[in-house]
Amino acid sequence: EADIYQTPRYLVIGTGKKITLECSQTMGHDKMYWYQQDPGMELHLIHYSYGVNSTEKGDLSSESTVSRIRTEHFPLTLESARPSHTSQYLCASSNRADYNSPLHFGNGTRLTVT
Amino acid sequence: GQQVMQIPQYQHVQEGEDFTTYCNSSTTLSNIQWYKQRPGGHPVFLIQLVKSGEVKKQKRLTFQFGEAKKNSSLHITATQTTDVGTYFCAPDTGRRALTFGSGTRLQVQP
Repeated sequence: EADIYQTPRYLVIGTGKKITLECSQTMGHDKMYWYQQDPGMELHLIHYSYGVNSTEKGDLSSESTVSRIRTEHFPLTLESARPSHTSQYLCASSNRADYNSPLHFGNGTRLTVT
Repeated sequence: GQQVMQIPQYQHVQEGEDFTTYCNSSTTLSNIQWYKQRPGGHPVFLIQLVKSGEVKKQKRLTFQFGEAKKNSSLHITATQTTDVGTYFCAPDTGRRALTFGSGTRLQVQP
C-alpha cells in the first residue's frame, strides 16, 4: 500500500473559517496533486506540483491555495470556507517527472461546510 | 481541444455477467491508465497501456488500447460482487498532470 497520508479524514466547519487540509507522502515522489470529487462523480484536478516551490492550478477553478515547501508535504488551504466547498478532497503523488506515472492516492478528506 | 468520453456512466449487472467500459478520445494518446474506486474509497491504480493495440490481462480483467491510441476498454469477465465500484480511465493527453474520465459506476447484483 502506498504511503500517502491525509488529515483530517472528516471535517465539519462553519462558513468563513480558514482550514488547511494536510497531505504527506514518504515515498520521495516529486509530483503531487489535489483532486476534488463530489460523491459518485468524476475527479477534478485543482492543483498540482512538480517539486519544491513549484505549484500550478488545475482544470477546476478553485479558491484554495497550495504550497510545496518540502518534497513530502503538500497542504491545501481554504482562506474562507463556503458551503460550495463541501466535497471530498483527494491528494495523490507519483514518481518520475518526465511522464505521467501511476498515481498513489491518500484516503481523502471529506469536508462539510455548514 | 482534447475531449475524452467514458461510457457508460452506470451499469447494473447480475453476478456472473460480463461488463465493459470504454474510454474514447478525440486525439491520439501517449498512454492511458485505469483506476478502480470502491464505494467510500480512493482510486487505486490498475494498469497502464502504452503501445498501440496493446492487450493486458489481470485475472478476469482485460484491458485494451486501440490501434489508433484513441480509445481503450476494460472488460470484466464473470463479474463478482467484489468488482463493485467506479472505474476511471486516465488518458495521458500530453499535459503536465493527469486528468480522469467521468467514470463508469458498476453495480453487481448477487
